[in-house]
Amino acid sequence: AQTVTQSQPEMSVQEAETVTLSCTYDTSESDYYLFWYKQPPSRQMILVIRQEAYKQQNATENRFSVNFQKAAKSFSLKISDSQLGDAAMYFCAYRSANTNAGKSTFGDGTTLTVKP
Amino acid sequence: DAGVIQSPRHEVTEMGQEVTLRCKPISGHNSLFWYRQTMMRGLELLIYFNNNVPIDDSGMPEDRFSAKMPNASFSTLKIQPSEPRDSAVYFCASSPRTSDPYNEQFFGPGTRLTVL
Repeated sequence: AQTVTQSQPEMSVQEAETVTLSCTYDTSESDYYLFWYKQPPSRQMILVIRQEAYKQQNATENRFSVNFQKAAKSFSLKISDSQLGDAAMYFCAYRSANTNAGKSTFGDGTTLTVKP
Repeated sequence: DAGVIQSPRHEVTEMGQEVTLRCKPISGHNSLFWYRQTMMRGLELLIYFNNNVPIDDSGMPEDRFSAKMPNASFSTLKIQPSEPRDSAVYFCASSPRTSDPYNEQFFGPGTRLTVL
């Protein structure tokens, strides 16, 4: 079974600075997808960014980018120019490319605080 | 589209009572997921449906939990009888295409359940 580990329960960053959230996973599959979700205090889960395992190029979405290291099974999220609205809990998730698998496995989350 | 709709947003009940949580997925989405989020266990997948058919219910904790999807626009998660340890936030999510695991899961706002 796949597992997802987020080793940082809490992180903080100064506004306008850069922060990196770590995520590692364990799988025996070669084809899969990885996601970062944001959960602000409103509880709404929002997709931040996603990565296909067969793509070597790291995904980017505006101020959000990932560092995907397939051999190391690492998938970190970098937030540049941090804003107060980035304060939230961030979840890393794994999903098999096997269409019969369907379900995602989530990490325990990292709570990000942004200091003004 | 209004997004995934869940009701009620908050539910407080007494131990032993039946609880029914409701979800309306985004129109046209083929997959529906029920998650439970607690501080102790994080985000757990309980069950998911493809085209209204339950595919994997291995995450359902006990026989007290049951889920149905009578049609493409409605699903329920029922707990009978409820216990204090069922207190959690329950999320419903839907995604567009069964055959594509890369699809984003769109989450509802969640139902906060408190069992006294």
